[in-house]
Amino acid sequence: AQSVSQHNHHVILSEAASLELGCNYSYGGTVNLFWYVQYPGQHLQLLLKYFSGDPLVKGIKGFEAEFIKSKFSFNLRKPSVQWSDTAEYFCAASAYNNNDMRFGAGTRLTVKP
Amino acid sequence: DTAVSQTPKYLVTQMGNDKSIKCEQNLGHDTMYWYKQDSKKFLKIMFSYNNKELIINETVPNRFSPKSPDKAHLNLHINSLELGDSAVYFCASSPSGLAGNEQFFGPGTRLTVL
Repeated sequence: AQSVSQHNHHVILSEAASLELGCNYSYGGTVNLFWYVQYPGQHLQLLLKYFSGDPLVKGIKGFEAEFIKSKFSFNLRKPSVQWSDTAEYFCAASAYNNNDMRFGAGTRLTVKP
Repeated sequence: DTAVSQTPKYLVTQMGNDKSIKCEQNLGHDTMYWYKQDSKKFLKIMFSYNNKELIINETVPNRFSPKSPDKAHLNLHINSLELGDSAVYFCASSPSGLAGNEQFFGPGTRLTVL
């Protein structure tokens, strides 16, 4: 079955620390991958997406993610987090020519000032 | 202008009542979705419509009925509300029915059933 899993339920970091959030997917065939962010009390916003090409994807606010096909992973990274990055982060995937997007359970990031 | 809008933003109601949540998108997208986010932030797709046609219908109680009068609107009607229906409901839209298109989310409707 198609699924997305996020390893970390809650991550707590100090400002300026580096961030890596894990995401693995289970899909057959071509897959499209996304990271969304949900700030407290707000709706989901797209951070970045991967369709094809360079497996290292740059997103907004200094985030990036690397698609590693052999590991079925799409981990999110940021070299130096800020207090304003405190939010819930969702990894999502959809199969090619199918608009059914599956979300991971989310990772709550808390950045201490 | 708000791309994907939902009304109401908050909805508090008693068990057994019937309520509706409205969603409108002004992006010209063909596909619209309803998601349910529970108290643990788990996000689960409920329905998807493409050009007013139902294309995804996950295992949700038949008390939930989506209605799409046109491709810019996807409303969610819930009959006989139960305590477990309390959640945040998000509407979303995307440009077409093909994968790879970003979904744009509405602000959410927080439903509380007492």
